[in-house]
Amino acid sequence: GAVVSQHPSWVICKSGTSVKIECRSLDFQATTMFWYRQFPKQSLMLMATSNEGSKATYEQGVEKDKFLINHASLTLSTLTVTSAHPEDSSFYICSASIGGGGTEAFFGQGTRLTVV
Amino acid sequence: GENVEQHPSTLSVQEGDSAVIKCTYSDSASNYFPWYKQELGKRPQLIIDIRSNVGEKKDQRIAVTLNKTAKHFSLHITETQPEDSAVYFCAPDTGRRALTFGSGTRLQVQP
Repeated sequence: GAVVSQHPSWVICKSGTSVKIECRSLDFQATTMFWYRQFPKQSLMLMATSNEGSKATYEQGVEKDKFLINHASLTLSTLTVTSAHPEDSSFYICSASIGGGGTEAFFGQGTRLTVV
Repeated sequence: GENVEQHPSTLSVQEGDSAVIKCTYSDSASNYFPWYKQELGKRPQLIIDIRSNVGEKKDQRIAVTLNKTAKHFSLHITETQPEDSAVYFCAPDTGRRALTFGSGTRLQVQP
């Protein structure tokens, strides 16, 4: 199957600092990527849809100024958590599909963010 | 948007028994029905999927059945093994937007 690589796999940061997470499609081009957040023992909740060359679409309740998304190329989307707080600690995971909607989604390894 | 309900939330079976997880969805436009398996701390991975023109699909010990009229589809695992222990998510897909995941089912297979 296709490969989506996410980096870093884990990060610990201090409150008030920013953290950047990268999501790369290694063997296919992804005009659209998705960012999810998963709290312990919960499901994946969509945060935003990242579109190459245009602004991301954020889900209701997700602060676009806090979670900055950039999708500057067909193989790379980045999520920056700005001014992180302990409540932002979570498992962040990206996904993309080769064939777009209605096809298998491939996920990055996920990034466990801990804000202290 | 899509409302997705998944049951049960936890399921414990003895090794060798069968497990069934059900997913109910609301959007009649859904036409792709995947099941994902997520082990602790890992990424979700597709284990089986079905399209709306098919009622059942089987891959060795895993099967998925679809009832489009009733808007539900189910994951069936036979002859369960300890390595089947994980969280399973359904994610009915219309093809027009991001996936909406079910709440997940934590399957525990007791040796």
